[in-house]
Amino acid sequence: QQQVKQSPQSLIVQKGGISIINCAYENTAFDYFPWYQQFPGKGPALLIAIRPDVSEKKEGRFTISFNKSAKQFSLHIMDSQPGDSATYFCAASRRAVSRDDKIIFGKGTRLHILP
Amino acid sequence: DAMVIQNPRYQVTQFGKPVTLSCSQTLNHNVMYWYQQKSSQAPKLLFHYYDKDFNNEADTPDNFQSRRPNTSFCFLDIRSPGLGDAAMYLCATSSQGPLHFGNGTRLTVT
Repeated sequence: QQQVKQSPQSLIVQKGGISIINCAYENTAFDYFPWYQQFPGKGPALLIAIRPDVSEKKEGRFTISFNKSAKQFSLHIMDSQPGDSATYFCAASRRAVSRDDKIIFGKGTRLHILP
Repeated sequence: DAMVIQNPRYQVTQFGKPVTLSCSQTLNHNVMYWYQQKSSQAPKLLFHYYDKDFNNEADTPDNFQSRRPNTSFCFLDIRSPGLGDAAMYLCATSSQGPLHFGNGTRLTVT
């Protein structure tokens, strides 16, 4: 019930290509789905997030697609650049964090963009 | 800029020698978290504070303790570090929505 399954584990994309990372969740109480980007030696940083009342959210080259019925969401990076090379984590939680709430992370995707 | 600051960035300690990692925040968030992250893995939650309420994950070793003396500061104490405790330790805060992470403390145990 609490898992978030992320795939692929690693991804290599040519510069200018589209990078796609997928996540699936189980707990229908989750209503907040962020993506975090982490560079080596740094903490994760929020990249983009979506709530289930919309099916897509776009910020620059980054888009989240959300399928509520399938309990799946994905990150698309358009025109991928070498500077996008990082580890990406999807996560799921309830937006109104209470004492008992936890943020569940996917296992991460190591993305490498070839120059 | 409002942020989460962790000190030190790198910490080397000897096997069994107690160590304390610190975290401060200027975001005034009520929730603070400590995560352990080993290479190529997702952050693993150790503890979190919801205001002053302390929540310990069931699988967090007894070796690990935490203190939050006020809203802005939080400490992670490792009483007797073992080689398996070498990792990046991440502090994070939240109010409603996203986590705000510090840049972590890289702990080496010799």
